[in-house]
Amino acid sequence: SYELTQPPSVSVSPGQTASITCSGDKLGTKYACWYQQKPGQSPVLVIRQDNKRPSGIPERFSGSNSGNTATLTISGTQAMDEADYYCQAWDSSTVVFGGGTKLTVL
Amino acid sequence: EVQLVESGGGLVQPGGSLRLSCAASGFTFSSYDMHWVRQATGKGLEWVSAIGTAGDTYYPGSVKGRFTISRENAKNSLYLQMDSLRAEDTALYFCARESHSSSSFDYWGQGTLVTVSS
Repeated sequence: SYELTQPPSVSVSPGQTASITCSGDKLGTKYACWYQQKPGQSPVLVIRQDNKRPSGIPERFSGSNSGNTATLTISGTQAMDEADYYCQAWDSSTVVFGGGTKLTVL
Repeated sequence: EVQLVESGGGLVQPGGSLRLSCAASGFTFSSYDMHWVRQATGKGLEWVSAIGTAGDTYYPGSVKGRFTISRENAKNSLYLQMDSLRAEDTALYFCARESHSSSSFDYWGQGTLVTVSS
């Protein structure tokens, strides 16, 4: 079955750029999207179709997808961005999530 | 305003059954593919099932043959019938709407907790 691999944790200083990767076989041939989940809350879509921001998502969130890796980039990271982030893609007619990355802003 | 409200969770014994519901409002429910996604405490997201607008259904191997997703468009409702439950099915179950434009999940409910334990 198809798998997406994320680093368990990423740390970033406030104001710096955070990058979270998601790896999967030929992932660049699929669309990747990203969700943010804060403790006790439901996931929120922050990037769709590799690099598109849904309405209401700050411009500091961006995405890319090429080869075997999709990347979520948060520029000028703020304390409020501390959360778990999940990548997601489709493989045939099934949905696959990455294992999630805990972003710590310190 | 789009709203998804899950219900039906609770404590059930291993081997038992449970039916979850998701009440949708604020959009034309019949026009959207819908999904169930679960999350065990402290763990990641796991896709559980999907149903298309035509009633076509999809499942991962972990629940295929045990779970059944269905919808009732007249009631703007999504359901998940869960049979032969196992301890590993214990999780918070979310319903989610699949976006028309991107095949990602643009709206999520708050989740309903299912605990499988004797």
